[in-house]
Amino acid sequence: AQKVTQAQTEISVVEKEDVTLDCVYETRDTTYYLFWYKQPPSGELVFLIRRNSFDEQNEISGRYSWNFQKSTSSFNFTITASQVVDSAVYFCALIVSYNTDKLIFGTGTRLQVFP
Amino acid sequence: DAGITQSPRHKVTETGTPVTLRCHQTENHRYMYWYRQDPGHGLRLIHYSYGVKDTDKGEVSDGYSVSRSKTEDFLLTLESATSSQTSVYFCAISDRETQYFGPGTRLLVL
Repeated sequence: AQKVTQAQTEISVVEKEDVTLDCVYETRDTTYYLFWYKQPPSGELVFLIRRNSFDEQNEISGRYSWNFQKSTSSFNFTITASQVVDSAVYFCALIVSYNTDKLIFGTGTRLQVFP
Repeated sequence: DAGITQSPRHKVTETGTPVTLRCHQTENHRYMYWYRQDPGHGLRLIHYSYGVKDTDKGEVSDGYSVSRSKTEDFLLTLESATSSQTSVYFCAISDRETQYFGPGTRLLVL
């Protein structure tokens, strides 16, 4: 069975703090893809990153970085110097069957950044 | 932004009435999906389509049907709405690498 676990239901930080959102996945497939999406208070789902199972290089995009570790089945997301605009629910997701691209979502982590 | 629209954006209906939600894309993508989002569950797949007239069930398909007669439109129908179908419904399209989501439809079944 495939599963994505986001154990942190809610995180609160003060602006400029660094914060890491955890994501642990389960799959027996060797080929899979991992994603992060952001859902701001306005409700839309915004794609942030896609990573395939053969690429364990860390990714950095501005204040965002992602750490993919197959040894621990984790795909963690770090926001450096958080800002109020980062307040949102963040979802980690997994695709294991490329033919149908069915996304399996975690339950999300609500991040609140206070000024 | 991917060209995806959903209609209506908000709907209030009564138990037992039929409801149809529409997803429209301008990207000509083959794959389309319907998800529902509920507190504590993240997003769960209802149905998906891999081409015109080609559809299949997701993990929470009971009480829902879909149709896709054109590449650009994917319809989700609640044949007889129940209060448990109160939710936010998202449509998504895929370019085979990434799924992009529509703005969502908030449905309240009284």
